[in-house]
Amino acid sequence: DAMVIQNPRYQVTQFGKPVTLSCSQTLNHNVMYWYQQKSSQAPKLLFHYYDKDFNNEADTPDNFQSRRPNTSFCFLDIRSPGLGDAAMYLCATSRANEGPNTEAFFGQGTRLTVV
Amino acid sequence: GQNIDQPTEMTATEGAIVQINCTYQTSGFNGLFWYQQHAGEAPTFLSYNVLDGLEEKGRFSSFLSRSKGYSYLLLKELQMKDSASYLCAGMDSNYQLIWGAGTKLIIKP
Repeated sequence: DAMVIQNPRYQVTQFGKPVTLSCSQTLNHNVMYWYQQKSSQAPKLLFHYYDKDFNNEADTPDNFQSRRPNTSFCFLDIRSPGLGDAAMYLCATSRANEGPNTEAFFGQGTRLTVV
Repeated sequence: GQNIDQPTEMTATEGAIVQINCTYQTSGFNGLFWYQQHAGEAPTFLSYNVLDGLEEKGRFSSFLSRSKGYSYLLLKELQMKDSASYLCAGMDSNYQLIWGAGTKLIIKP
């Protein structure tokens, strides 16, 4: 059973047209992460939520926003996608309050293409 | 600064053994993770080490030396399906994962 679900798997959007990626989890984990991963590169953390507390990475562009309306769902909004935003976007969850061995569980990812 | 270093690419033969090395520098240390990532898919968890030594899990083993800031992933009896990228990630004092760029492992028959 899928535990971290991302929709859609593939998203094509026009340059400058707002797009939203979604992530849901059935694990009841308190932490949710959004990563951007480009080909042959490490996943780059954009932001994470510890419960409802939002933590933005210093180098995450303002073009990227996030919402977490409840424990199960998290959204990534890209306000004005540019060609450089084409990437795989990974959602992950973990139980950060249960000690250090808190593996991150990943969704299948959404591959974003900007045309 | 925080940094994870691992080789970009390795090639091995089906049935053989391969060792993928990783060196890390993190602000504080709460463990070292290895993930497998097939092309176009999400990373999947392989192993976690927080104490020095070797952790064995079937064909895969992972080793950690905290004094050297070093880990390796050992894959035995390689199968074609093991062709993937292997990502090393260190967890810092804030429980954040610092990721390497991954080692692309190519298995040849």
